[in-house]
Amino acid sequence: QKEVEQNSGPLSVPEGAIASLNCTYSDRGSQSFFWYRQYSGKSPELIMSIYSNGDKEDGRFTAQLNKASQYVSLLIRDSQPSDSATYLCAVSGAGSYQLTFGKGTKLSVIP
Amino acid sequence: KAGVTQTPRYLIKTRGQQVTLSCSPISGHRSVSWYQQTPGQGLQFLFEYFSETQRNKGNFPGRFSGRQFSNSRSEMNVSTLELGDSALYLCASSLAGGAPYEQYFGPGTRLTVT
Repeated sequence: QKEVEQNSGPLSVPEGAIASLNCTYSDRGSQSFFWYRQYSGKSPELIMSIYSNGDKEDGRFTAQLNKASQYVSLLIRDSQPSDSATYLCAVSGAGSYQLTFGKGTKLSVIP
Repeated sequence: KAGVTQTPRYLIKTRGQQVTLSCSPISGHRSVSWYQQTPGQGLQFLFEYFSETQRNKGNFPGRFSGRQFSNSRSEMNVSTLELGDSALYLCASSLAGGAPYEQYFGPGTRLTVT
């Protein structure tokens, strides 16, 4: 059974701080890793994808992948109240479009 | 480019009835996946279609079925509805044909079974 684990939170950070979200996965064959943001009552929105070990930066977001440790993280720099949402980690195997999701971490950015 | 569209957005059905949900992918996207989201179980994969063929199926009973048309539009059907089928049903589309494997979600259909 493939599993993706995330701390449910809530994670509270002050405005302007760095938010760090973590995710571990059980399937060593996983090849593709994604972070989605979901606002309450809305559908998930893709914010980052990462396929190889290391860091990938996009604006205020940095995804980090360590396949040996089966660990993927998302850093949000200069956090804004508009970043308050649930962040979902998703993983898929080689050549697969079947995503396995974690339960999500609820982030609250305090003004 | 228009995003993924899903219809209807909200649906109320009675136990035992059946329901059909529709999804139109982003233009040019050929893979369509369906997910069920509930507060208890989170997001769970139902199935994925590409070129009118189901390539992957999640761990759901046979009451859940789907299909894809030649224009990549997809439908999913749930027969003999149960109270536990109340959920947000999400459709996601991808370019397919290899990497990248990013999936983009539609707004979802909120199904309530009474």
